[in-house]
Amino acid sequence: QKEVEQNSGPLSVPEGAIASLNCTYSDRGSQSFFWYRQYSGKSPELIMFIYSNGDKEDGRFTAQLNKASQYVSLLIRDSQPSDSATYLCAVKRTGFQKLVFGTGTRLLVSP
Amino acid sequence: DAGVIQSPRHEVTEMGQEVTLRCKPISGHDYLFWYRQTMMRGLELLIYFNNNVPIDDSGMPEDRFSAKMPNASFSTLKIQPSEPRDSAVYFCASRRGPGEAGELFFGEGSRLTVL
Repeated sequence: QKEVEQNSGPLSVPEGAIASLNCTYSDRGSQSFFWYRQYSGKSPELIMFIYSNGDKEDGRFTAQLNKASQYVSLLIRDSQPSDSATYLCAVKRTGFQKLVFGTGTRLLVSP
Repeated sequence: DAGVIQSPRHEVTEMGQEVTLRCKPISGHDYLFWYRQTMMRGLELLIYFNNNVPIDDSGMPEDRFSAKMPNASFSTLKIQPSEPRDSAVYFCASRRGPGEAGELFFGEGSRLTVL
């Protein structure tokens, strides 16, 4: 079982819709959770991080965490074609410095 | 401030050759990470340093891979001898401090092709 699992996609949504990206993790010691966006041919860049169960909102982005279910999600409201990218979920254990990444979900937003 | 700087951006070499990838972290960042990205395996951590000291190299695939950080502003990842299965994008990333919110800043990556 992979430490961090994501559906590779592509996830296709029309412009203006809500895109929902999901991630599950296997290590119950994971305490910090991150969403990175990676455009084709570019490097990953941080969108959001979350530590506590529940929702965290930042503009059009909402991260959701359910530690009991070992599940993290990212919602993108009012999706734009510029949101088309691969979204990487990453987890980190408290006291450990390395981030473990999933293989990413490719999102396509059509005009 | 300049971001993380990696070189070369692209490298094409033949099997058996030595490859050296270079990284300059963001000034003031005390953590440096080397990741490898492939379609099949995604982003994998190879090794990371704290204050120039290697802390965890458990992700280094085998003895053909080695990494050094002789000072706070420079790190190298060396593959000798290289093999076709080493073809990937190699990212260097740096971060300030061990804090839980510490964001990783990635370089643009070095795309390696081993023929």
